[in-house]
Amino acid sequence: AQTVTQSQPEMSVQEAETVTLSCTYDTSENNYYLFWYKQPPSRQMILVIRQEAYKQQNATENRFSVNFQKAAKSFSLKISDSQLGDTAMYFCAFMATLNDMRFGAGTRLTVKP
Amino acid sequence: SAVISQKPSRDICQRGTSLTIQCQVDSQVTMMFWYRQQPGQSLTLIATANQGSEATYESGFVIDKFPISRPNLTFSTLTVSNMSPEDSSIYLCSVIGVAGELSYEQYFGPGTRLTVT
Repeated sequence: AQTVTQSQPEMSVQEAETVTLSCTYDTSENNYYLFWYKQPPSRQMILVIRQEAYKQQNATENRFSVNFQKAAKSFSLKISDSQLGDTAMYFCAFMATLNDMRFGAGTRLTVKP
Repeated sequence: SAVISQKPSRDICQRGTSLTIQCQVDSQVTMMFWYRQQPGQSLTLIATANQGSEATYESGFVIDKFPISRPNLTFSTLTVSNMSPEDSSIYLCSVIGVAGELSYEQYFGPGTRLTVT
């Protein structure tokens, strides 16, 4: 069974600085997808970034980028130029089949002014 | 992406009663799912809602407790039956394959916050 581990329950960062959230996963699959979701206090789950396992190039979306290390089964999220609106829970997710998405326990990120 | 709405957004219910949560999408989608997020926890998949047939439930979830319907490609309901305080959670609807796209991206509704007293 696939498992997703986020080892940082809480993190904080100063506004405008950079922060990296960690995620590791365990799978025997070769083809899969990885995601980072953001859940602000409004509880709306927002897709931040996605990565296909067959792509070697790390995904980027504006201030968000990932460091995908397939051999190490690691998928970290880097947030550059942190903004107050980035304060939220961040969930790492793994999906090998469309009907089986697994989420990590989440990291609560606080951006301080 | 798609616009996904859920009704109600929140409710407070008495134990022993049932609540039906609706999920409406503004376009046809390939797959619909229901998740539970207990207070301070991550998301757990309850079931895949199948159009015109019985939902596919994950381990630990049963149809008698969480009956699900999906009459068409844009709408689904989840009922939480015979509620107890342990059912107090956020229930989220999600979708894959908006407008028939061959997409693996999963989009979520705003959630329904249920409190059982």
